[in-house]
Amino acid sequence: ILNVEQSPQSLHVQEGDSTNFTCSFPSSNFYALHWYRWETAKSPEALFVMTLNGDEKKKGRISATLNTKEGYSYLYIKGSQPEDSATYLCAPHGSSNTGKLIFGQGTTLQVKP
Amino acid sequence: DTAVSQTPKYLVTQMGNDKSIKCEQNLGHDTMYWYKQDSKKFLKIMFSYNNKELIINETVPNRFSPKSPDKAHLNLHINSLELGDSAVYFCASSQGGLPNEQFFGPGTRLTVL
Repeated sequence: ILNVEQSPQSLHVQEGDSTNFTCSFPSSNFYALHWYRWETAKSPEALFVMTLNGDEKKKGRISATLNTKEGYSYLYIKGSQPEDSATYLCAPHGSSNTGKLIFGQGTTLQVKP
Repeated sequence: DTAVSQTPKYLVTQMGNDKSIKCEQNLGHDTMYWYKQDSKKFLKIMFSYNNKELIINETVPNRFSPKSPDKAHLNLHINSLELGDSAVYFCASSQGGLPNEQFFGPGTRLTVL
């Protein structure tokens, strides 16, 4: 897995808006997809790990879906709050047992009160 | 209770010097990683150790040498520092097996003058 693309690169929304962004990756040799949340001046924190086509995971107002056949994952945030402001990273990895993650460049979300 | 810790948090040094960054995890994980956040903010894997054995060694200059005295520690030693080595370096750890949710340290900002 070499090319991981996330879009949009940045996003500005108003508090209360719902939003979503995309992670695209090559579907060959896929094993799992990770989503991380990275706040400024902090370290990345794991949100979800998904492995199966059609997987959907949810944590509070944040959810994610996975399509391994076409090579994409969506992250949704319902009713965005200022504390959701962060960079959201996706990282797929293949079946190699090294567990090597290839991170996308991230989508930076800014939620205005 | 810091899960993954790094020291120092900031490191400013002159070109040509040799420096080390230390990483420790108290999660009982058996795999540890070093990432470099490049100028475009991408997180790129440098090295990974599993039970003190090197399992990932990306194309990094051989001035960078990881050392794992035990599975709770993975230190990064850098010889003959260059201006281009200036970056934020993140340590991470995970439990063996896939998928491997990785836990990140707070990062070390290295500035080479």
